[in-house]
Amino acid sequence: EAGVAQSPRYKIIEKRQSVAFWCNPISGHATLYWYQQILGQGPKLLIQFQNNGVVDDSQLPKDRFSAERLKGVDSTLKIQPAKLEDSAVYLCASSSDSASYEQYFGPGTRLTVT
Amino acid sequence: GNSVTQMEGPVTLSEEAFLTINCTYTATGYPSLFWYVQYPGEGLQLLLKATKADDKGSNKGFEATYRKETTSFHLEKGSVQVSDSAVYFCAAKKTDSNYQLIWGAGTKLIIKP
Repeated sequence: EAGVAQSPRYKIIEKRQSVAFWCNPISGHATLYWYQQILGQGPKLLIQFQNNGVVDDSQLPKDRFSAERLKGVDSTLKIQPAKLEDSAVYLCASSSDSASYEQYFGPGTRLTVT
Repeated sequence: GNSVTQMEGPVTLSEEAFLTINCTYTATGYPSLFWYVQYPGEGLQLLLKATKADDKGSNKGFEATYRKETTSFHLEKGSVQVSDSAVYFCAAKKTDSNYQLIWGAGTKLIIKP
């Protein structure tokens, strides 16, 4: 079974530029999560999707971050414009409805904002 | 509110040493508890879990017991290997949400040969 795919793996941009990350969850997983992981900290949930609907986006900085999951499969997370403090690893995870507490993570995208 | 606290790292041990990484939680009710591991350059992986009090989760020689009396879920391994070097995260399922997890800050483990 293929795991959660993410791209790109690394991205370096200047502040005020925009960037987009892509995630393809495990086939059949209805729930998809985007996390931000700052060095030395645990993952922080940005947004949770159930199929193509948003379950929770309370910690998403909506003035600059946006995410979508069209068709309830893959998802994109965008930052526009980026700030220095957005430098982090962005993790995508998915889970199935039958065991929703078990999350499967992708390798992450390491973003550096200069 | 809900929170998870784990011991700060890095934890540095010699190969074959005994490992304990402490984790305590604060939550209403009895949440499911998890240990995830993040190897260098890889994504987080579920290592083990326990869904109710006194349950013991185990995998790859690691164990953790859900202790409701002390609200703890300490990770242990009897004999660590260099390949166990990674960052370990303790997490608890939020009891009042849609399957979200509360994460500890992570503990970096370094095993020296």
